Amino acid sequence: AQSVTQPDIHITVSEGASLELRCNYSYGATPYLFWYVQSPGQGLQLLLKYFSGDTLVQGIKGFEAEFKRSQSSFNLRKPSVHWSDAAEYFCAVGANNNDMRFGAGTRLTVKP
Amino acid sequence: SQTIHQWPATLVQPVGSPLSLECTVEGTSNPNLYWYRQAAGRGLQLLFYSVGIGQISSEVPQNLSASRPQDRQFILSSKKLLLSDSGFYLCAWSVTGAFDYTFGSGTRLTVV
Repeated sequence: AQSVTQPDIHITVSEGASLELRCNYSYGATPYLFWYVQSPGQGLQLLLKYFSGDTLVQGIKGFEAEFKRSQSSFNLRKPSVHWSDAAEYFCAVGANNNDMRFGAGTRLTVKP
Repeated sequence: SQTIHQWPATLVQPVGSPLSLECTVEGTSNPNLYWYRQAAGRGLQLLFYSVGIGQISSEVPQNLSASRPQDRQFILSSKKLLLSDSGFYLCAWSVTGAFDYTFGSGTRLTVV
């Protein structure tokens, strides 16, 4: 079965700085890849997804992610972080419609 | 448009008491429905999924059960709660054959 690793449990960045959240997956075929954001006490909101095609994917709120098959990675990036981006971010990999596995999450703190 | 409702938002229950969490979806038919649990500092664990009325698949053996009495209603239950059942429970739905999961706002369950 597929699996996801988010190596960073907690990241702190200054407002206006760039951000990169790491995600590595394990799956034998081409995966479906996702990034979700969760504000405290809330459900998850989809930021972006990769199914096929262009390996650089644009999402909402100024986020992007790049699929690198050779590195089994799907890192999330944002050029300039805003205070409202403070949240928990989850990477997920899907193998079929009934089997989506999530990483443990990375909590982002934004310093003023 | 489609919406997903999950309630209650928070719940404090004593050990050994029963549990019933409800999730309903509006604006779509025959959705795939999912229950996830998010323990503190951990990722999302798929508990149950359903592809149709009365069809429930369990991912992890545990103290919980799920039912789908109507097309757009998904219920998570327990006869006797354990302390380890505490966590944040999320319901989600997707269109059959698609990976676009939409999550509810979650229920924070504390077993005392």
